Amino acid sequence: IVLTQSPGTLSLSPGERATLSCRASQSVSSTYFAWYQQKPGQAPRLLIYGASSRATGIPDRFSGSGSGTDFTLTISRLEPEDFAVYYCQQYGDSPQTFGQGTKVEIK
Amino acid sequence: EVQLVQSGAEVKKPGEPLKISCQASGFSFTNYWIGWVRQMPGKGLEWMGIIYPGDSETRYSPSFQGQVTISADKSISTAYLQWSSLKASDTAVYYCVRGSTYSYYWGQGTLVTVSS
Repeated sequence: IVLTQSPGTLSLSPGERATLSCRASQSVSSTYFAWYQQKPGQAPRLLIYGASSRATGIPDRFSGSGSGTDFTLTISRLEPEDFAVYYCQQYGDSPQTFGQGTKVEIK
Repeated sequence: EVQLVQSGAEVKKPGEPLKISCQASGFSFTNYWIGWVRQMPGKGLEWMGIIYPGDSETRYSPSFQGQVTISADKSISTAYLQWSSLKASDTAVYYCVRGSTYSYYWGQGTLVTVSS
C-alpha cells in the first residue's frame, strides 16, 4: 500500500492550526494507522495509533482522524517544539509502509 | 524502563560485511517482535523486517528480502541486522523498533556509511 502525504511542506506560525493529510492507494482499516513526529537527528516519536488514539505522553493538541483511504493529523495550535517532519504509517497490510513525510516549518 | 540501545556508527567499504546490533532491556525480549527501519539520507522511513526472538520467526519486506539478514540472540536480549556485502546505496540510518505494528519504542539509530 502506497501512502501519499500532502502537502510536502507546510509553512505556519506558532499558534496556528496544522492539517496534514495522508492518502492510501487502497483502503486501510483505521485500526492499523499511525502518525509519527521526527526532529533532526532524532528517532521518530509515535503520536497517534489506531488512527485516532494518542500515544502515552502526547499532548491533546494532536489529534488523528480518518478511515478508508484518507487520514488526517491535526495540530490544533502549533507550539515551537511542533516544527518537525511528520510521517503516516499503515500496518494492516504486509509490508507495513510509511508516507514520504510532511515538513512543518516556521513561517 | 524499556530501552533499545543500538551499536555505534560504522564506516565501511563496498563489498565488506557488517552486523549491527540492538540490545533490549526493560521488557521480556522473547515476547515482543523486534523490527528494523531504514532511513536513507534526507529521506523517509522504510520498514525492512521483523523477528520474534521467542522462536526466531522472521519476516522481511519484499524490498529487503535477500539483501539483509535479521537475527536475534535471546540469551543476551539482542537483535541484529547484517549484510554480507555492502553497497554504497546501503548508506543510511537504521533504527530498531519494538513491535510488529506501530512502534512506541525506537532505538537511537545506527548510521552506516558505505564509501570507497
